[in-house]
Amino acid sequence: SQQGEEDPQALSIQEGENATMNCSYKTSINNLQWYRQNSGRGLVHLILIRSNEREKHSGRLRVTLDTSKKSSSLLITASRAADTASYFCATDGGGLNFNKFYFGSGTKLNVKP
Amino acid sequence: DVKVTQSSRYLVKRTGEKVFLECVQDMDHENMFWYRQDPGLGLRLIYFSYDVKMKEKGDIPEGYSVSREKKERFSLILESASTNQTSMYLCASRQTGLAAPPRKTDTQYFGPGTRLTVL
Repeated sequence: SQQGEEDPQALSIQEGENATMNCSYKTSINNLQWYRQNSGRGLVHLILIRSNEREKHSGRLRVTLDTSKKSSSLLITASRAADTASYFCATDGGGLNFNKFYFGSGTKLNVKP
Repeated sequence: DVKVTQSSRYLVKRTGEKVFLECVQDMDHENMFWYRQDPGLGLRLIYFSYDVKMKEKGDIPEGYSVSREKKERFSLILESASTNQTSMYLCASRQTGLAAPPRKTDTQYFGPGTRLTVL
């Protein structure tokens, strides 16, 4: 399947440290997105990177995309306790198959104060 | 801001009951989606709708049906609930079409989720 896979499954860091999460996928894409989910809640969109982009920044977030390796990474700099959540990458089906999105099982981030 | 609401946050039903989960969005989005989320499996697409009365099966449609009679409302129906349908159900909507800026057409906006327990 096209499903993205995040790595690691769980990450525990101290406040102020950087957190890096990785995502791999299997087929071509139009874009890749990262979402965040607080425990028991819906997902919130964080950032989108298109297949012709290599790096994107938004505040303390930095996303990279390597289409040759079919992988992406999300870096959260200077993490805060409030960043504690699960993070998911989502890819579309590529080409004209842009209506379907495929999510991985997520990275659970715990930022200790 | 886009608002996506779901009819219930928590729901408990019995095996064999017919269950309706409703989702409403207020931004005139064409696309709407139903996912279920289970530990270790991530989000899996059940059905999506790209316009009123239009629907397409996702990856796990078995045991579910959907209804989209109005643009703002997308309902997920469990005809005869079973215990293996105990899960978190998430609805999402997305704008599409050539008129919208490309960025906004790709983002999905999620509701808060409905945690369904089937006993």
